[in-house]
Amino acid sequence: AQRVTQPEKLLSVFKGAPVELKCNYSYSGSPELFWYVQYSRQRLQLLLRHISRESIKGFTADLNKGETSFHLKKPFAQEEDSAMYYCALRGFSGGYQKVTFGTGTKLQVIP
Amino acid sequence: DAGVTQSPTHLIKTRGQQVTLRCSPKSGHDTVSWYQQALGQGPQFIFQYYEEEERQRGNFPDRFSGHQFPNYSSELNVNALLLGDSALYLCASRLQTSYEQYFGPGTRLTVT
Repeated sequence: AQRVTQPEKLLSVFKGAPVELKCNYSYSGSPELFWYVQYSRQRLQLLLRHISRESIKGFTADLNKGETSFHLKKPFAQEEDSAMYYCALRGFSGGYQKVTFGTGTKLQVIP
Repeated sequence: DAGVTQSPTHLIKTRGQQVTLRCSPKSGHDTVSWYQQALGQGPQFIFQYYEEEERQRGNFPDRFSGHQFPNYSSELNVNALLLGDSALYLCASRLQTSYEQYFGPGTRLTVT
């Protein structure tokens, strides 16, 4: 079974403050983790993927297999970062993928 | 390319009825997945279609069924609707060889 937990429903930070959105996972195999973002009145879209190890819009996320975590971080929050963020895990069964999403965290950046 | 499109945008049905939702994938994509997103929840995987066959299924009852057509478009059918089926239904498409899913805008289903 694969499971993704996002403990915070809402995270409010001031503009310029650091941001950390938490994500923990459970998966028996080698996990592939993603962060998706949904801005107001827009579609759900991929933000970043752990394998890429890239920074997108100033966000980074490191996979910690020991702690089974994949927290999303940004050193200085911007107002345009306000959105819903979903952590997701891609697992495989029979050669086909299944993606499990967390319940999401709403990030509110206060001007 | 309009990306992933879904129809209808909104739908209101009565308990016990049946509903069909439609999805056209992004141009060039061959794999379609359906998700149910209840209010305040993350998307929950229903099933995935590739080569016109259901390849993966989440924890949804048999009342939820689907189909993929030769042009890769897909339908989600739900029979014997329950109040709890009220949700946003999302379609996502990708290439089978790729990890990146593109989501549609969703169909908002309300069951009364």
